[in-house]
Amino acid sequence: EAGVAQSPRYKIIEKRQSVAFWCNPISGHATLYWYQQILGQGPKLLIQFQNNGVVDDSQLPKDRFSAERLKGVDSTLKIQPAKLEDSAVYLCASSPAGTSGNNEQFFGPGTRLTVL
Amino acid sequence: GESVGLHLPTLSVQEGDNSIINCAYSNSASDYFIWYKQESGKGPQFIIDIRSNMDKRQGQRVTVLLNKTVKHLSLQIAATQPGDSAVYFCAQRTGGFKTIFGAGTRLFVKA
Repeated sequence: EAGVAQSPRYKIIEKRQSVAFWCNPISGHATLYWYQQILGQGPKLLIQFQNNGVVDDSQLPKDRFSAERLKGVDSTLKIQPAKLEDSAVYLCASSPAGTSGNNEQFFGPGTRLTVL
Repeated sequence: GESVGLHLPTLSVQEGDNSIINCAYSNSASDYFIWYKQESGKGPQFIIDIRSNMDKRQGQRVTVLLNKTVKHLSLQIAATQPGDSAVYFCAQRTGGFKTIFGAGTRLFVKA
């Protein structure tokens, strides 16, 4: 079974530029998550989708971050404009079922973003 | 707000010894706890989980203990191997959805 795919794996941009990350979840997984992981910290949930609807985006900085999952499969996360403090690894995860119970999340390898 | 934290940022053990990684959590309403392993350049990988109505759960070489009285979670790894070297995160979930991760403990296994 293929895992969660993310691209690009690395990205270096200057502050105030825009950047987009792409995620392809495991086939059939209804729930998709985007996390931000700053160096030395645990992942922090940015947004959670159930199919193509947003379940939780309470920690997404909506003035600069946006995410979509138009057809309930792939997702993109965009930052516009980027700030220095956005330097982090952006992790995508997916899980098979809904929001109940021990719904194991499968993580992709992440995109490492460096903002100069 | 909710937090999940770890007592020690790094742990160094000899190959073959047992490892114990500890975690404290603040939200007593959490009903589900998970341990993840993260190797360099990879995303977190599920190791073992436990529901709040249990106090112990065993897997292959790993055991998770939950003490709800003091809001403490631990991960025990038996006969630690070099491949166990990684950062370990505890995480909690309340109400079936948002997963909150702790800061992580880096485990070094000395050959």
